[in-house]
Amino acid sequence: GNSVTQMEGPVTLSEEAFLTINCTYTATGYPSLFWYVQYPGEGLQLLLKATKADDKGSNKGFEATYRKETTSFHLEKGSVQVSDSAVYFCAGGTSYGKLTFGQGTILTVHP
Amino acid sequence: SAVISQKPSRDICQRGTSLTIQCQVDSQVTMMFWYRQQPGQSLTLIATANQGSEATYESGFVIDKFPISRPNLTFSTLTVSNMSPEDSSIYLCSVVGDSVEGYTFGSGTRLTVV
Repeated sequence: GNSVTQMEGPVTLSEEAFLTINCTYTATGYPSLFWYVQYPGEGLQLLLKATKADDKGSNKGFEATYRKETTSFHLEKGSVQVSDSAVYFCAGGTSYGKLTFGQGTILTVHP
Repeated sequence: SAVISQKPSRDICQRGTSLTIQCQVDSQVTMMFWYRQQPGQSLTLIATANQGSEATYESGFVIDKFPISRPNLTFSTLTVSNMSPEDSSIYLCSVVGDSVEGYTFGSGTRLTVV
């Protein structure tokens, strides 16, 4: 079946540090890939997405590129802020609508 | 993308009771999905709800425990039956529109069973 493997956390960074959270997806075919963010006490929000190979999703300074060869979708941000502290989930899905989530990575950014 | 209204946003329930969670979508959607997020864990798909047919449950989830209704293309309910503390989780509904880009999640229901 489908699976998403996500970099384990928690990740603790200082403000303005560079962030990478790794994610790889195993599936038949090439699913769409997503990053979701869950801020403390809030619901799940779509951060960015890529629907085909070589697509780059970007939002709020975050980026991720869909690498076909490894079905990877690593999340990056050049300079994190305290307000980026949240749980980040990588997910993959097909046109049938089911999403498979990674285990989530807790990010804490200190001033 | 669609907008989902999910309620209740949170509840504290006694063990042995049942809770019904509602999701209302502002547009017609073919497929609705129910997920569970246990404390500190990722999201796990419970079932897929299609209008006019019985829900399709994932491995480990059964209809007697999580009955689902889908009376029309904009509404669905999930009931958590005969609750125990292990059912304490966040439950979320999700819809997908006409394309894979259209995933939207409700704000979630934070359930605590005491």
